[in-house]
Amino acid sequence: AQSVTQLGSHVSVSEGALVLLRCNYSSSVPPYLFWYVQYPNQGLQLLLKYTSAATLVKGINGFEAEFKKSETSFHLTKPSAHMSDAAEYFCAVIVSSNTGKLIFGQGTTLQVKP
Amino acid sequence: DGGITQSPKYLFRKEGQNVTLSCEQNLNHDAMYWYRQDPGQGLRLIYYSQIVNDFQKGDIAEGYSVSREKKESFPLTVTSAQKNPTAFYLCASSIGVGSNTQYFGPGTRLTVL
Repeated sequence: AQSVTQLGSHVSVSEGALVLLRCNYSSSVPPYLFWYVQYPNQGLQLLLKYTSAATLVKGINGFEAEFKKSETSFHLTKPSAHMSDAAEYFCAVIVSSNTGKLIFGQGTTLQVKP
Repeated sequence: DGGITQSPKYLFRKEGQNVTLSCEQNLNHDAMYWYRQDPGQGLRLIYYSQIVNDFQKGDIAEGYSVSREKKESFPLTVTSAQKNPTAFYLCASSIGVGSNTQYFGPGTRLTVL
């Protein structure tokens, strides 16, 4: 069965430091992978999407993610954290191209310290 | 402004009452989805609809019902059969199924007293 695992439910970084949020997936089909961000009491906003066009995907707000098939990973990075990046981040994979059904990881809360 | 609206933002109901959550989109999307979010559990799919007058159960459909009479609207009813209805409910839509990106509404927080 397809699944998504986000390593670390909480990640804390200092402002200006590198952000690395980890996501590993299992999928029996070529995956379509997503990263979403959620601010408190709000909906999810798309950060970026992998569709096999390029292994390094650039998203909004300076985030990017690299698809590594050999490691079944899709980690999210940002070179320099801002206070405004503090939020919860979700990795997700489409498990069926017939239904568009998404499976989400459990989420990683990013804390940015001044 | 195109987007997805959910109303109300906060909803309180007494135990045993049915309640309907609204989801409307003006993106001309064919597919719509309902998710439930609980702390530490990510999002779980309740129901989805690929086209008007058609919908399918997701992973946790028990105690919920939906309708899709119009392309723009996909209301979710939380029935008294749902054992633990207090949660944050998110509606999403996409152009179609397949690899299409899902766009989310702002959510409704339901609290059952």
